[in-house]
This record gives sequence, C-alpha cells and structure tokens, in this order.
Amino acid sequence: QKEVEQNSGPLSVPEGAIASLNCTYSDRVSQSFFWYRQYSGKSPELIMSIYSNGDKEDGRFTAQLNKASQYVSLLIRDSQPSDSATYLCAWGAGNNRKLIWGLGTSLAVNP
Amino acid sequence: SQTIHQWPATLVQPVGSPLSLECTVEGTSNPNLYWYRQAAGRGLQLLFYSVGIGQISSEVPQNLSASRPQDRQFILSSKKLLLSDSGFYLCAWRRTDFNEKLFFGSGTQLSVL
Repeated sequence: QKEVEQNSGPLSVPEGAIASLNCTYSDRVSQSFFWYRQYSGKSPELIMSIYSNGDKEDGRFTAQLNKASQYVSLLIRDSQPSDSATYLCAWGAGNNRKLIWGLGTSLAVNP
Repeated sequence: SQTIHQWPATLVQPVGSPLSLECTVEGTSNPNLYWYRQAAGRGLQLLFYSVGIGQISSEVPQNLSASRPQDRQFILSSKKLLLSDSGFYLCAWRRTDFNEKLFFGSGTQLSVL
C-alpha cells in the first residue's frame, strides 16, 4: 500500500535556528512532492513543490528530494514563532489523480 | 486568479440530521475537485474526488455522498449524520494536468452532537 511516513514530533527549535522536517515515501513511481503548512484550525497551505532530485529554494524554505532513497525534506532557515504549525508532506504519481499524505509533523518555534 | 469558496465555516448538527456542504471554484475550468475529512489529531482522509460534471469517485464506504452538478461546484451530503462524522471538512481543487498542485478551501468544522 502506498504511504508516506513522517515523524509526528513535536519538533521544537529555538527562534533563528534551522528546522528540518523529513518524509519518506513508499512508491518509486512518485513524481511530484509537496509540503503544506497547516495552522491549528485552518486549512493546509501549499508552501513548496518539488519534482526533480536536488534542492529547491524559496525564501527561507528549501525542499530536498532524493528519489533513490525515497526521501524528501523541508528546511526552514531562521525559524520564526509564526512558523509554528503542522507540516504535511504529500506525493503523487503522474498517472494518479490522488495525493498520498503523511500525518504531519508538529513544529514549535520557541522565542 | 483562482479562488475556492467553502461554506459554512462551522456547523453544529444533531445526530440523524441531514448535511449539505458546498464548495465552488472560480477562475478555472474543468478542475479536479476533492472532499477531504480531517478528524481531530489525525491525517487527511480523502472522501471523494471528481474529474468532471456528474463523475464522482468514492474512496471510503460511509453515509456520505458527493455530487458535482456544475463544473465548478462540488457538494458533500448526508441524509443522517453520525457522531463519527464530526471533523474538519476540506474541499480542494487541482488542475487536470498531472503533477499539479492541490489547493484547499478554508474548511468547515462540523460537530455532530
């Protein structure tokens, strides 16, 4: 069965530090990978997408993909208290209209 | 730009009552539409998805149903709510191109009492 594994946390980092969130997936045909941020009581918000091996940077966020190891990660530099949220990873295969979701990692950034 | 509207934001319903949640997407045509449920402290559970008008795929057996009467309208319904139907319901859309991003509406917090 296709699945995504994430460490549920909580992950606690001090303000200004780098937060590292990780996700492993089970299917080698995966082609698209997404990171969503979800604040408590709110809907998930897309923050990063990545499709090729390597790093993709967007502001303070960097997504890293290693298809051979079936591993995708999200780095948040200069973490801020406003980054405190649950981070969901998801992946999709090109021939599948559904995304497979992890359960999310709770991140707490302490001032 | 594309927007997705979902209402109501919160809903409190008695057990056995009917349910109708509506979602509309603007600024795009022929989107794939999705209904998810997120129970407290749990992950996203896909309930239904639709690739076109009148085309509904059900992911889990339950007392919920979905309909897509118009290209940009997606409705989640129930004839009789159960306590276990409580949760955070999310509508989402995605372009039909593969590998496209999924965008969520603001969600409906449903409490069945």
